[in-house]
Amino acid sequence: AQSVTQLDSHVSVSEGTPVLLRCNYSSSYSPSLFWYVQHPNKGLQLLLKYTSAATLVKGINGFEAEFKKSETSFHLTKPSAHMSDAAEYFCVVSDTNFGNEKLTFGTGTRLTIIP
Amino acid sequence: GAVVSQHPSWVICKSGTSVKIECRSLDFQATTMFWYRQFPKQSLMLMATSNEGSKATYEQGVEKDKFLINHASLTLSTLTVTSAHPEDSSFYICSAKDVGQYFGPGTRLTVT
Repeated sequence: AQSVTQLDSHVSVSEGTPVLLRCNYSSSYSPSLFWYVQHPNKGLQLLLKYTSAATLVKGINGFEAEFKKSETSFHLTKPSAHMSDAAEYFCVVSDTNFGNEKLTFGTGTRLTIIP
Repeated sequence: GAVVSQHPSWVICKSGTSVKIECRSLDFQATTMFWYRQFPKQSLMLMATSNEGSKATYEQGVEKDKFLINHASLTLSTLTVTSAHPEDSSFYICSAKDVGQYFGPGTRLTVT
């Protein structure tokens, strides 16, 4: 079974300061991990994904995440927040063994940017 | 590339009626599509996996007779909510599998 836990339901940061959105995962196999962003009334957009290559993954819009197997974590970071980053962020896991492509979503973290 | 569309983007229907939602992969062929529902301020829950030319696989707790899924072509899957009730009001999102999964913009269903 696979699962993800997003440790914060809501994060607020000031514009220009770093962003940290935390995610821990549980997976029976070698997981693929993703971060998606959902802006209000918009579809999901893939920020980045980890699929057993480099543990530090760079995504779009300046976001990156580091896969730490020992800590079962995949935290999302950005050095400097922008107002346009305000959205809901989902950490997602997929077991890759046996071609299981089901995505399991975390409960989401709402990021608020303070001007 | 890898664009997925949904139609309609929003729909209001009366209790007891049925409503069909379409999911299309516009620039690639998808043998597998997925249907999710998202309640307000909650996460996405996988409802079913739709495979072209075969029956859909439903997640535990999802009524297959209520949520009819048809995947008749490599670019189109449909979800029909039959005999809709107010508790079916939700945001329904599909995704189509290419190299990864690409999500549609969602359909907001309101049942009155």
